[in-house]
Amino acid sequence: EVQLVQSGAEVKKPGESLKISCKVSGYSFTTYWIGWVRQMPGKGLEWMGIIYPGDSDTRYSPSFQGQVTISADKSISTAYLQWSSLKASDTAMYYCARRAQGVATIEGSFDYWGQGTLVTVSS
Amino acid sequence: EIVLTQSPGTLSLSPGERATLSCRASQSVSSSYLAWYQQKPGQAPRLLIYGASSRATGIPDRFSGSGSGTDFTLTISRLEPEDFAVYYCQQYGSSPTFGGGTKVEIK
Repeated sequence: EVQLVQSGAEVKKPGESLKISCKVSGYSFTTYWIGWVRQMPGKGLEWMGIIYPGDSDTRYSPSFQGQVTISADKSISTAYLQWSSLKASDTAMYYCARRAQGVATIEGSFDYWGQGTLVTVSS
Repeated sequence: EIVLTQSPGTLSLSPGERATLSCRASQSVSSSYLAWYQQKPGQAPRLLIYGASSRATGIPDRFSGSGSGTDFTLTISRLEPEDFAVYYCQQYGSSPTFGGGTKVEIK
């Protein structure tokens, strides 16, 4: 069974750093892209970026380039999303999701999702 | 960046009725790389449709997708109680983006 299990909710102050995680199981971690999606309170979904754990190839949305860092540790089948200096506007739910593979037209959609990590940034 | 505009913002319908949701792209979406997701409160999104018209594994056939180029539609033929949720489209042809969502609520 494919599972993506994310780390727990975080409460941080502006300017602090943070790294949240997404541990996968049930498939080969190194052969599927993993993406991150932001959902601000009461708002829609925003595509942040993806990483291919096999070679750490990483792509970012222009909106998030330079704002966050996506990484992966193959040895423990875990992807990460990190901030060096949080802002109040980073308050959101963050989802990791597996990029689907198979027929050409499915590649790019997300077929399995984590449960989400709520990040609250407040002074 | 391709901007996806979903309409209407909210759709008020009764169980058993037909729901038609629209997703319009600011530029043509290549190779119909368009997906639809369902999100219920407190849950992660769920993939319903990919490639504009192919149902994902385990998705009931009352859900169907159509369209190409810049205009796409998600149709729910007969609403079941569990279908009341928010629906998002996503293009993944280049620099992926999501639409703003359509909420399907009980009338």
